[in-house]
Amino acid sequence: QKEVEQDPGPLSVPEGAIVSLNCTYSNSAFQYFMWYRQYSRKGPELLMYTYSSGNKEDGRFTAQVDKSSKYISLFIRDSQPSDSATYLCAMSWGYSSASKIIFGSGTRLSIRP
Amino acid sequence: EAGVTQFPSHSVIEKGQTVTLRCDPISGHDNLYWYRRVMGKEIKFLLHFVKESKQDESGMPNNRFLAERTGGTYSTLKVQPAELEDSGVYFCASSQIAGGWVNEQFFGPGTRLTVL
Repeated sequence: QKEVEQDPGPLSVPEGAIVSLNCTYSNSAFQYFMWYRQYSRKGPELLMYTYSSGNKEDGRFTAQVDKSSKYISLFIRDSQPSDSATYLCAMSWGYSSASKIIFGSGTRLSIRP
Repeated sequence: EAGVTQFPSHSVIEKGQTVTLRCDPISGHDNLYWYRRVMGKEIKFLLHFVKESKQDESGMPNNRFLAERTGGTYSTLKVQPAELEDSGVYFCASSQIAGGWVNEQFFGPGTRLTVL
């Protein structure tokens, strides 16, 4: 069983729609939960991170973590064509510069104008 | 500020040959990580340097892979001899030791390795 499961998509929605991206995980020791965005031929770029459970909002983006269900989500409001990318959920263990990141497989998102 | 750079961007080699990938981290970043993504799979951790020391090499697949970071600046990842299953995209990332959220890793664009 993978430590992090993510639906690979692809997901195609019209401009302006609300997008919901999700991941589940199996390791209850994860403390940091991240969402990376990756454009074609580029490296992953950190979009948002959350420590432990709860919600975090940044502009049109909201990240949610439910540790009891081992489930994390990313919501994108008023989606734009420029949001078209692969979104990777990612997790790590602790407040330590030694923590490696465990990635989901990524969801390819396309926003139709 | 320059980001993480990787060279080459793409390498095509034949099975059995040797390839060396290079990563230049963001200046001042003591942490340097290597990850790779093979076709259809998730990005997976290979190893982590703190300055010139290997902190965690639990993700290195086998002894055909050798990573170095002499002087604690740039790093190289050598694959010798390369096998077909080594094909994929190799990412390098770097982060600071302290300040802010310490584990924010900044990724390079990756080196796409194709082994024929």
